[in-house]
Amino acid sequence: DTAVSQTPKYLVTQMGNDKSIKCEQNLGHDTMYWYKQDSKKFLKIMFSYNNKELIINETVPNRFSPKSPDKAHLNLHINSLELGDSAVYFCASSKGGLGAHQPQHFGDGTRLSIL
Amino acid sequence: QQPVQSPQAVILREGEDAVINCSSSKALYSVHWYRQKHGEAPVFLMILLKGGEQKGHEKISASFNEKKQQSSLYLTASQLSYSGTYFCGTDLPSNDYKLSFGAGTTVTVRA
Repeated sequence: DTAVSQTPKYLVTQMGNDKSIKCEQNLGHDTMYWYKQDSKKFLKIMFSYNNKELIINETVPNRFSPKSPDKAHLNLHINSLELGDSAVYFCASSKGGLGAHQPQHFGDGTRLSIL
Repeated sequence: QQPVQSPQAVILREGEDAVINCSSSKALYSVHWYRQKHGEAPVFLMILLKGGEQKGHEKISASFNEKKQQSSLYLTASQLSYSGTYFCGTDLPSNDYKLSFGAGTTVTVRA
C-alpha cells in the first residue's frame, strides 16, 4: 500500500562505481521528482518528469541520468560516483499537470554513502 | 530563488506556541509546508495559494501574505509529535513544476 516506494533504502558503494535507484508510485500521479538532501538537510530538486517528459533538469552533473519508462516509474542512474554524491535521494510525486501547485508525496529516501 | 526561513531552530515545552517564517525575494504563486522527522520522508502539511488564505492542519495553521511574499506557520499548543524539521517550499507563477525549499526550521518540543 506504499504510495511512493524507492529501492534500495541504503546504498553503500565505492567511488567510481555506477549505481541506480528505482522509484514507483501507485497514486496515479502525472508528475514525479528526484530531490537530493545533503547532510545539512538542504532539499534540492534535481529532476522533474510530467507524463514521462523531462520538465526540470537542474544544474546536475551529467553523471546523473533519470529515466521514466512510464508515468508511474522514475529511476535515477548515477555514473562514476564521487564522495560528494553522498546524500539522501528522495523521489516524490504529485498529481495533475501543474506539479508544483499540488502537494508532493515523498518516498522514504535512499541513503547513498560513498566510501 | 531559495526562500529564507527563520528561525533556524526553536525549542518549546509542550503547550507552547511558535511561529516559523518563510520569505521570498520574488513574487510567489504558492507556498507549501512540509514536516520531516529524523530519518523519515518529508510529509505534506498544507499548501497556500496566492490570495492571503489561511489553512490548518490539526493545531498547525499557516498564512500567506502575497504582498510581502511571506508565509508564516503557526504551531499552537505544541505537542511532542510536532517535533521535526519544517520546510517551506515556494514556486513562482512562471514555473509550474519547480518547488524551491528553504533550509528548514528544526522544532524540538519537550515534555
